[in-house]
Amino acid sequence: EPEVTQTPSHQVTQMGQEVILRCVPISNHLYFYWYRQILGQKVEFLVSFYNNEISEKSEIFDDQFSVERPDGSNFTLKIRSTKLEDSAMYFCASSVGPNYEQYFGPGTRLTVT
Amino acid sequence: AQSVTQPDIHITVSEGASLELRCNYSYGATPYLFWYVQSPGQGLQLLLKYFSGDTLVQGIKGFEAEFKRSQSSFNLRKPSVHWSDAAEYFCAVGLTDSWGKLQFGAGTQVVVTP
Repeated sequence: EPEVTQTPSHQVTQMGQEVILRCVPISNHLYFYWYRQILGQKVEFLVSFYNNEISEKSEIFDDQFSVERPDGSNFTLKIRSTKLEDSAMYFCASSVGPNYEQYFGPGTRLTVT
Repeated sequence: AQSVTQPDIHITVSEGASLELRCNYSYGATPYLFWYVQSPGQGLQLLLKYFSGDTLVQGIKGFEAEFKRSQSSFNLRKPSVHWSDAAEYFCAVGLTDSWGKLQFGAGTQVVVTP
C-alpha cells in the first residue's frame, strides 16, 4: 500500500540554524501539506501546496518557513532560522484533491537546542 | 469562531467494552469530517471519513462514526475494544472553501485496561 515517507525521523539543530525536512508524498497525489504538533498540543495546519504554489497557509507559516517541490517526488519544508519554539513533530500529508482524505507520514521530530 | 471540540481528554475502557469518543464542530456549513488515530511514536492513521450521504460511516479496525447535523457532532464508536486500540484519537474537519486545510481537535487519549 502506498504511503507517505518522511526523513529524517529525528533532527536536532541549534537555534538559528536552517533545517530542511523532507517528504515523499504518495505518487498520484497532487496536494501536499505540512502540519506540526508541539508536544502535548493539537495538530496544527501550516501550509497546503498544489501545482508548485502555496494554496493556503496559516499564521504560523511566516517568512521563516518555505516549501518546495524540487523534483517529481520530494516535498520539503525549510525553516530558515530555527527558534526554540519550532521544536515539534512535523507531519507531511498528501491527497488526490483538496477535499479528499489526507494521508500522513510518520513525522519528523525536530528538536531545537 | 470555527472550532473542533473533543470534550474528553482521557478515557479509560476495559478490553471488550464499547467505546464512544465525542466530537463537535462549529462551522457555518457542513464540513468534511475525519477521525485519525495516533499510536505512540507513530504518525496519524485515517480511521474513517464523512463527505456526504449515509450518516453512519464504517472505517478500519471495526470503528464507525455517525454524523448528526442537528447536533454538529461526529462521534466515533467501537462495539468491543481490543488492547491494541489504546492510542490517541483525533477528530478533524475540512472546509469546502479551503485548500485542504484540516482543523484538528485536541485529541482523546484512550487507555484500555485488562
